[in-house]
Amino acid sequence: QQQVKQSPQSLIVQKGGISIINCAYENTAFDYFPWYQQFPGKGPALLIAIRPDVSEKKEGRFTISFNKSAKQFSLHIMDSQPGDSATYFCAAQPFGNEKLTFGTGTRLTIIP
Amino acid sequence: GAGVSQTPSNKVTEKGKYVELRCDPISGHTALYWYRQSLGQGPEFLIYFQGTGAADDSGLPNDRFFAVRPEGSVSTLKIQRTERGDSAVYLCASSLGTGHEQFFGPGTRLTVL
Repeated sequence: QQQVKQSPQSLIVQKGGISIINCAYENTAFDYFPWYQQFPGKGPALLIAIRPDVSEKKEGRFTISFNKSAKQFSLHIMDSQPGDSATYFCAAQPFGNEKLTFGTGTRLTIIP
Repeated sequence: GAGVSQTPSNKVTEKGKYVELRCDPISGHTALYWYRQSLGQGPEFLIYFQGTGAADDSGLPNDRFFAVRPEGSVSTLKIQRTERGDSAVYLCASSLGTGHEQFFGPGTRLTVL
């Protein structure tokens, strides 16, 4: 049972463009929503995270938009750069529980 | 300081064999997690330790999988009677404790022939 659905599976964006990755969840007990970036041969690294008491969080070029009623959240990468080329995973975690549930990942490629 | 380290980086074994995968967490991190990442998928939770005890082992797929953390630092994931379906990257993460960011290691790629 896939509790966090992520799309698209792959994404190609031109340098300087906006990359958008979407996730949806079903479990209303989730209350922490991080995004991870993973390069080949490396473990996932936390990029940015949000809790449902806010609808948006911005850190530099990275923004999370959160829609609690729709149970959806998305990652926006502004001014995308070739160094952003990686696989991105959304995840969700219930309150009081350390278990992260990950989406299936989006392979992002930024072309010059 | 050093991040989470995992050894070996790659392990090839034959079906039916026993394997041990090691994780060295970040110094001072009391919580340790094991995840499994199959090709083209996101990491899947296996087990979580707080100190020496397994606080949540609900993700272990069956009784062939077992993990220990005897002194509250290094952890070993043990897989008995390996099957081809066990082939995956096994990721370890550590954190300062409940509610803190999980820092992942580079993983051990296990291949069962």
